[in-house]
Amino acid sequence: RKEVEQDPGPFNVPEGATVAFNCTYSNSASQSFFWYRQDCRKEPKLLMSVYSSGNEDGRFTAQLNRASQYISLLIRDSKLSDSATYLCVVARKDSSYKLIFGSGTRLLVRP
Amino acid sequence: SAVISQKPSRDICQRGTSLTIQCQVDSQVTMMFWYRQQPGQSLTLIATANQGSEATYESGFVIDKFPISRPNLTFSTLTVSNMSPEDSSIYLCSVEGAPREQYFGPGTRLTVT
Repeated sequence: RKEVEQDPGPFNVPEGATVAFNCTYSNSASQSFFWYRQDCRKEPKLLMSVYSSGNEDGRFTAQLNRASQYISLLIRDSKLSDSATYLCVVARKDSSYKLIFGSGTRLLVRP
Repeated sequence: SAVISQKPSRDICQRGTSLTIQCQVDSQVTMMFWYRQQPGQSLTLIATANQGSEATYESGFVIDKFPISRPNLTFSTLTVSNMSPEDSSIYLCSVEGAPREQYFGPGTRLTVT
């Protein structure tokens, strides 16, 4: 079983739709949580950190449930430019902090 | 966030040869990380490189295959040695910005024939 699991998609939604991505992680020692965005043939870029209290950045809302080891990302009013792969990422500490990446959920927003 | 550059951006290499990838950051950073992203896959950490000490390799990666240098706080290299087609991948370096947040270079796309 992968340490970070995501639905690979693709999610194909019309502009203006609301879409939600889910992610589960298996290591309870995970300490920090993130969503990254990766465009085709580009490097991943940090979208937002995820906090236990939930946090919002414009059209994007992230939630964390430590008890269920579950992370979510909600995108409201989808834009064409939101089309990308969204990577769920957890950080845990071995000898140093280490990021563990999910395999990503692909989003396609159509006109 | 830091500005990170990598060289080369892409290369096509013959099996059995080696390629050294450079990563340059515009500010001093303590830790630099090297990742691999195989076709259609997500990122896998190869090793963590601290200046002045040996790199720490993840399970499945060894120094003989992926030697790393970290001569100063703004620069690192990763060498992919004795390449085979299975090494065809994108190799990315990253640095830590805010605690536990990482920022990535543009990647080096390697094809081994």
